[in-house]
Amino acid sequence: KAGVTQTPRYLIKTRGQQVTLSCSPISGHRSVSWYQQTPGQGLQFLFEYFSETQRNKGNFPGRFSGRQFSNSRSEMNVSTLELGDSALYLCASHLLAGAGNEQFFGPGTRLTVL
Amino acid sequence: QKEVEQDPGPLSVPEGAIVSLNCTYSNSAFQYFMWYRQYSRKGPELLMYTYSSGNKEDGRFTAQVDKSSKYISLFIRDSQPSDSATYLCAMREEGNKLVFGAGTILRVKS
Repeated sequence: KAGVTQTPRYLIKTRGQQVTLSCSPISGHRSVSWYQQTPGQGLQFLFEYFSETQRNKGNFPGRFSGRQFSNSRSEMNVSTLELGDSALYLCASHLLAGAGNEQFFGPGTRLTVL
Repeated sequence: QKEVEQDPGPLSVPEGAIVSLNCTYSNSAFQYFMWYRQYSRKGPELLMYTYSSGNKEDGRFTAQVDKSSKYISLFIRDSQPSDSATYLCAMREEGNKLVFGAGTILRVKS
């Protein structure tokens, strides 16, 4: 069974640009969550999608947004990039929304903002 | 104060040692507890998933949850150099938002 796929694996952008990251969950999984990992703040929850609807959102500015498509694939977008947005962005796939769900992470997209 | 506290280490042990990794938390609503292992430049890999208090064993790994003390542990028996990684505890309430500890860097010396 294929795991979680994230593309691209590496990105370099400059301040002020925008970026779109993609995540394909494990086949049959309908829920996707996004996390940001930095050395200073660790892993922090960005948002969760289930059946194309955002179910939960973390404490990030509106520059961070996402969406989910009917095939469960998800994208997140960061606009007006800042140096502090440099991080590993991780996508987690889970079967359903709600309790009792194990979350499986992809390899991440490493974003560097210059 | 962070919701989940975890000593970042590094923790250095000889091969074959028993390793004990711990997290404390403040939110009594947490019901699901996980341990992830993360190798450098990789995504976190789920090791253990437990619900409520008690023990769970899987091979060389044992997870313990003590909800009365708001304390969780991961024990690794017969540690190997390949166990060298960052170990992250994570927990959540009913929803899917995971709250992570800072991660403990483990180094197993051969």
